[in-house]
Amino acid sequence: KAGVTQTPRYLIKTRGQQVTLSCSPISGHRSVSWYQQTPGQGLQFLFEYFSETQRNKGNFPGRFSGRQFSNSRSEMNVSTLELGDSALYLCASRGDLYYNEQFFGPGTRLTVL
Amino acid sequence: GENVEQHPSTLSVQEGDSAVIKCTYSDSASNYFPWYKQELGKGPQLIIDIRSNVGEKKDQRIAVTLNKTAKHFSLHITETQPEDSAVYFCAATTYNNNDMRFGAGTRLTVKP
Repeated sequence: KAGVTQTPRYLIKTRGQQVTLSCSPISGHRSVSWYQQTPGQGLQFLFEYFSETQRNKGNFPGRFSGRQFSNSRSEMNVSTLELGDSALYLCASRGDLYYNEQFFGPGTRLTVL
Repeated sequence: GENVEQHPSTLSVQEGDSAVIKCTYSDSASNYFPWYKQELGKGPQLIIDIRSNVGEKKDQRIAVTLNKTAKHFSLHITETQPEDSAVYFCAATTYNNNDMRFGAGTRLTVKP
């Protein structure tokens, strides 16, 4: 079974631009969560989607948004990029809401110049 | 909300020795505690987890213990090997909820 895939793997943007990241969960998994990883703040939860609905949201500004499609693939969007948004963005999937084991993708490395 | 603290931040051991990483959590409602291993350039990989109705779980050279009263849990790696070198993260969340809070990570180096 293929793992979680994320595209693109690397991205360079400038301040003020917006970016969209994509995540394809493990086949059959219905929940997708997004995390931001930085050296200073560590791993921080952004949001979780299940059946195209956002279930939980972390403490991030409204510039961070996401969505999930009917095939469980998910996208994350960051608008009006700031230098501090430079990070590794990780996507994780799990089978169902009552199945805590989640599996991470390799991440998208976003650099904001 | 939940707050997870992890110690030590770095750990260096000789091949064959044991390594122990400790975490504490603040929310007594947390009942699921996974451990992840992250190698350079890769996403975190789940290596072992424990639920609050269990005090200890073992998988070959890796074990996790949980003390609910004291709100702390630990990862034990025995007979360490150079390929165990990585950053290890603990995390805590409530079962069926996915607002998972992570520790700051421990960089483990196993010297051959």
